[in-house]
Amino acid sequence: DSGVTQTPKHLITATGQRVTLRCSPRSGDLSVYWYQQSLDQGLQFLIQYYNGEERAKGNILERFSAQQFPDLHSELNLSSLELGDSALYFCASSPRQQSYNEQFFGPGTRLTVL
Amino acid sequence: QQQVKQSPQSLIVQKGGISIINCAYENTAFDYFPWYQQFPGKGPALLIAIRPDVSEKKEGRFTISFNKSAKQFSLHIMDSQPGDSATYFCAARDTGNQFYFGTGTSLTVIP
Repeated sequence: DSGVTQTPKHLITATGQRVTLRCSPRSGDLSVYWYQQSLDQGLQFLIQYYNGEERAKGNILERFSAQQFPDLHSELNLSSLELGDSALYFCASSPRQQSYNEQFFGPGTRLTVL
Repeated sequence: QQQVKQSPQSLIVQKGGISIINCAYENTAFDYFPWYQQFPGKGPALLIAIRPDVSEKKEGRFTISFNKSAKQFSLHIMDSQPGDSATYFCAARDTGNQFYFGTGTSLTVIP
């Protein structure tokens, strides 16, 4: 158990809908990273937050947005969902902004868009 | 465009053998190269990592070999065990703290 929690574990929804994925980092970790893992694209970095501020942005679609709250939990919002958004979404946390040390990954949220 | 290219896609090794997974990159600004191990239904977990000023790092049965001039790095698993059967990802981080992952290698160690 990495200490990172993600909810929900599974999510099934329809095209055009909006969902929110939630992540609680390890106690004391200030950085949160979001990743999308799909069969054809592998693991893709989406976005990083550090202590509430956006720090790095990867291949995140405009339909997606994220935020980190004062209690350091983070939410990833996915809107106008398409079939291709079906994937595993992972959250990871690390103690520092620059992660020379370990990123601890959560168990993931499996999103299925029908 | 895949920033980090990983091969092979799958690998089958006998117990006790050596598993070798290779990765190549183009961006010379990458400054940190971790390897992750992922079991089915779990998130990736850091296995071992290396900085580009070092040519080799060993932790137990796992070794990273890093060739800066060739822009290649590889993971060697010595004395491979059935419990090592998992998917392995190489990754690289740029100076903007963005991580790029390889497409993964599914390793099966046969008893």
